[in-house]
Amino acid sequence: NAGVMQNPRHLVRRRGQEARLRCSPMKGHSHVYWYRQLPEEGLKFMVYLQKENIIDESGMPKERFSAEFPKEGPSILRIQQVVRGDSAAYFCASAQDPSYEQYFGPGTRLTVT
Amino acid sequence: AQTVTQSQPEMSVQEAETVTLSCTYDTSESNYYLFWYKQPPSRQMILVIRQEAYKQQNATENRFSVNFQKAAKSFSLKISDSQLGDTAMYFCAFMKGNQGAQKLVFGQGTRLTINP
Repeated sequence: NAGVMQNPRHLVRRRGQEARLRCSPMKGHSHVYWYRQLPEEGLKFMVYLQKENIIDESGMPKERFSAEFPKEGPSILRIQQVVRGDSAAYFCASAQDPSYEQYFGPGTRLTVT
Repeated sequence: AQTVTQSQPEMSVQEAETVTLSCTYDTSESNYYLFWYKQPPSRQMILVIRQEAYKQQNATENRFSVNFQKAAKSFSLKISDSQLGDTAMYFCAFMKGNQGAQKLVFGQGTRLTINP
């Protein structure tokens, strides 16, 4: 059973460009979570999705950030008009049950130049 | 809101020694879960151990064990017979146990170095 897949692993964008980060959960998992890790800090929750639904987006910045988890295909975290402060590692986690353990992907390291 | 505090930014021990990492949390919830995650230089987040708040018995996974003090809201991780491969960042995390959004709340982390 493959683990949580994230791609790309590294992404470089210039200021003002769009970044699209993809996450494929583990087989059988229908709960997806996105977290952001700034340098030398812990992970911060961004958004929790189930298929076609956003359940909790309390950690998402109000502007430029959006997330989706369509019926088919991976979950996408989209950052529009990136700025230097968006440089971070973005982790996706999936779970079979919302009250159980979350399995993390390897992360996408976004660098904004 | 829940908060998780790890008061030791860095720790260093010799191989084969025992080391304890501290974690305290603040919550008004009665039903919740606590976790320790390991993040080696590869940056992959690896679950080390999990504790359900309703269980009085401390969780154990091979060389890893916790000291869960619910009244004190303390959740420390003990690593016995430490190995070089234990070198990593360690994060304590909290999750509410109700049926709402199940996000993890992480502490700031402790950087653990095992010296040969």
